[in-house]
Amino acid sequence: GAVVSQHPSWVICKSGTSVKIECRSLDFQATTMFWYRQFPKQSLMLMATSNEGSKATYEQGVEKDKFLINHASLTLSTLTVTSAHPEDSSFYICSARKDGADTQYFGPGTRLTVL
Amino acid sequence: ILNVEQSPQSLHVQEGDSTNFTCSFPSSNFYALHWYRWETAKSPEALFVMTLNGDEKKKGRISATLNTKEGYSYLYIKGSQPEDSATYLCAPSTQGGSEKLVFGKGTKLTVNP
Repeated sequence: GAVVSQHPSWVICKSGTSVKIECRSLDFQATTMFWYRQFPKQSLMLMATSNEGSKATYEQGVEKDKFLINHASLTLSTLTVTSAHPEDSSFYICSARKDGADTQYFGPGTRLTVL
Repeated sequence: ILNVEQSPQSLHVQEGDSTNFTCSFPSSNFYALHWYRWETAKSPEALFVMTLNGDEKKKGRISATLNTKEGYSYLYIKGSQPEDSATYLCAPSTQGGSEKLVFGKGTKLTVNP
C-alpha cells in the first residue's frame, strides 16, 4: 500500500495565529513530499516541494516565510501557516512520492478557516 | 506554466452507461500524464501514470489513452456504477521529471442508480 495521512483534517483559527499541518507517509519512506493548495472551484496548485534534510523549494508567488515547511524525517513533513489571515483560508493537501517512482500519493487534505 | 483543460466540467450518467472525458495539455516538453480519482472527503487515488504516445492503460472498468503529439488523454469508464461517482483529475508534468504536477480542474462524475 501507499497511505498518506494528514492532520488535522480541519482547523479554525483566529487571524494572526499560526497553524501547523502534518503530512505522514504511513507505510513507505518519502524523500520528497509536496504541498498543494486548492481555492474554491480552482485546481490543485503546487505550493512547494519538501525534501528530507534540506530546504523546501517554493513555487513562484508562495512566500517561504509565511508557509514554513519542515521535512525532518523520511515519513513526516509539516507545513506551518504563520500569522494566518482570512485570505489564507483554503484547502491544503500534501502528497508523498516513493523514492524512484513517479506516482504521488495524497493525503486527505486539511480545511483551514481563518476568522 | 502548463494550461491543462478537462472537459466536461461535470457529467451525470445512469448506472450502466459508459462514459469518457478529456484532458488537454501542451504537447511540448511532455514527460508524463497522471490520472487521479477523488471521492469527496477522501484522498485522491492514483489511477494511471502514462508516458508514451499511444499508451493505453486499464484498471478494471476504467481505461485511459494518451496522445502526446496532440496533447490529450481520454479516460473511459465502462458500465458506470454509483461508486464511480467522483472527480477525475489529470495532471501532466514536463521533462525534467514528474516532480511538478499541474492539475486540471477535474471532471465531476455522478452516476445515478
